[in-house]
Amino acid sequence: NAGVTQTPKFQVLKTGQSMTLQCAQDMNHEYMSWYRQDPGMGLRLIHYSVGAGITDQGEVPNGYNVSRSTTEDFPLRLLSAAPSQTSVYFCASSLSFNYGYTFGSGTRLTVV
Amino acid sequence: GENVEQHPSTLSVQEGDSAVIKCTYSDSASNYFPWYKQELGKRPQLIIDIRSNVGEKKDQRIAVTLNKTAKHFSLHITETQPEDSAVYFCAASINAGGTSYGKLTFGQGTILTVHP
Repeated sequence: NAGVTQTPKFQVLKTGQSMTLQCAQDMNHEYMSWYRQDPGMGLRLIHYSVGAGITDQGEVPNGYNVSRSTTEDFPLRLLSAAPSQTSVYFCASSLSFNYGYTFGSGTRLTVV
Repeated sequence: GENVEQHPSTLSVQEGDSAVIKCTYSDSASNYFPWYKQELGKRPQLIIDIRSNVGEKKDQRIAVTLNKTAKHFSLHITETQPEDSAVYFCAASINAGGTSYGKLTFGQGTILTVHP
């Protein structure tokens, strides 16, 4: 198993550009989430999904969209990048609600 | 929604000492409490978890305790070693019903430094 795969690992965007962060897992996990991690802020939930076709907002959803058309994939779309979205983004997946999340290796995004 | 508070934000101990990190949560419906360790530049990794039907769980040098009445849970590391130095995160999750179903909320993290 590859686990949770995130691409790209690094990205620089200009303000106003859009892009999609990819996340895929091969563990047949129902639960998937996107977090952003900023220095001193811990892990903040952006969006999450409890199964294909089901998504919901987390703590900081503004400026981001998600979709879950398959169990394996959970892409995160930045609609119009802003410097405040400079962060490390982690995708994570879990078998169920009371099992630990497995994290991807992260995407370091810089918006200039 | 759920709010998880974690203390202390930094913790410095001598090798061989014990370390304790405490978390409180706000939503009494939370019933799954994992702990993660994140080394510098790496992804968070699950080190131990506890479910609400259990008061304590141990795994070698680490243990977690849960007090559902007081809505707090703690991580205990005994005989600390320099390789335990990392950022530790607690988290809480609700597993059924309501608007927060399936949502895992993290505390702010504790930077643990173990001095040789």
